[in-house]
Amino acid sequence: SYMLTQPPSVSVAPGQTASITCGANNIGRKHVQWYQQKPGQAPVLVVYDDRDRPSGIPERFTGSNSGNTATLTISRVEAGDEADYYCQVWDSKGDVLYVFGTGTKVTVL
Amino acid sequence: QVQLQESGPGLVKPSQTLSLTCTVFGGSISSGYYYWSWIRQPVGKGLEWLGRMSATESTNYNPSLKSRLTISVDTSKNQFSLKLTSVTAADTAVYYCARRIYGGDGFDIWGQGTMVTVSS
Repeated sequence: SYMLTQPPSVSVAPGQTASITCGANNIGRKHVQWYQQKPGQAPVLVVYDDRDRPSGIPERFTGSNSGNTATLTISRVEAGDEADYYCQVWDSKGDVLYVFGTGTKVTVL
Repeated sequence: QVQLQESGPGLVKPSQTLSLTCTVFGGSISSGYYYWSWIRQPVGKGLEWLGRMSATESTNYNPSLKSRLTISVDTSKNQFSLKLTSVTAADTAVYYCARRIYGGDGFDIWGQGTMVTVSS
């Protein structure tokens, strides 16, 4: 089945930019979603269809997707951005329709 | 604003059946625009999609669970349910219900999650 690979952790200082990658074969041909999950809470959709944001999500969260890598970029990082982040795709031709990435823990220094 | 809420027992014995219900508030489960999914997350681990159903009650399952999993709907109660048979400790996880975003491939609304422990 389709597999999405993320770095286990990313550390960033407040006010700086964090980039989280999601790698897979030809992921650029799929639509990628990104979720933020804080401890003890359900995931929250922060980016869908590669780069769109649901209402209420700050413009600091931007997505891109090309080739074999999708990226979530968090600009002007705040302490409240510390969380786990998961990418996700819909694999219409696969056995598992919805595939999640391995997750990345973002730590704000 | 649509909200989802999971309910069900927090403890299930090995080999028994895990049954959970997701109630939809603030919207109709019968709306043809949406798919309704179950997703789980073992403590400290990642997310795993289990299965989904549509308003027309068509279903799709994760092949790793297909032989044990049934998702069904009760439109009169605005609920959909999960039944997982022959559970083991590996099924211990937080279980979420979620709605697929209209016209997209992701999940825009999630329940708060319910912890299920499989143990004797």
